[in-house]
Amino acid sequence: GAVVSQHPSWVICKSGTSVKIECRSLDFQATTMFWYRQFPKQSLMLMATSNEGSKATYEQGVEKDKFLINHASLTLSTLTVTSAHPEDSSFYICSAKTSGRETDTQYFGPGTRLTVL
Amino acid sequence: GQNIDQPTEMTATEGAIVQINCTYQTSGFNGLFWYQQHAGEAPTFLSYNVLDGLEEKGRFSSFLSRSKGYSYLLLKELQMKDSASYLCAVLDSNYQLIWGAGTKLIIKP
Repeated sequence: GAVVSQHPSWVICKSGTSVKIECRSLDFQATTMFWYRQFPKQSLMLMATSNEGSKATYEQGVEKDKFLINHASLTLSTLTVTSAHPEDSSFYICSAKTSGRETDTQYFGPGTRLTVL
Repeated sequence: GQNIDQPTEMTATEGAIVQINCTYQTSGFNGLFWYQQHAGEAPTFLSYNVLDGLEEKGRFSSFLSRSKGYSYLLLKELQMKDSASYLCAVLDSNYQLIWGAGTKLIIKP
């Protein structure tokens, strides 16, 4: 149980284009999903917390107009990197909590490796 | 400020035992998680401790001392596949996960 999928796994795009990454909880309903970014050999960096049916909460320094998050259902959240630039190249990982309780474990998707040329 | 400290890198031998320490200073405490992350992959959940003591789960055990702000992850009978980064994360008073930088564990034959 508690399986989270992400699509796509890899994406290469040209500078200036937009990329959408999907995060799905396959066998549970996730009221809260999280989006992380991880640069090589660095720790996870929380970008935003996404609650179903409401606006995402962004961490300090993360541009909400550049990283659009939509959590339209209890099993799907999407992250859109708009007008991507080479410095946005990173490993993007989503996670989901199995219920609304704050201490529930976060289960991670497999990640999406974005390369912007 | 909030801080999680763990060693950057450790090396151990296949079949041996290794202990990865984590110390934390956070605004409040609602539990500590250990995750395993293989290179190029997302983290996978290993353990969650909220009460003092040792939690054993197969070859892996996790210990917590809240008064000392300290936890460790103990890996027994090391296998080559255990080579990975091990991330310590603390849930603070706002239920935000504060992540350590991770400990890269290298297993040698």
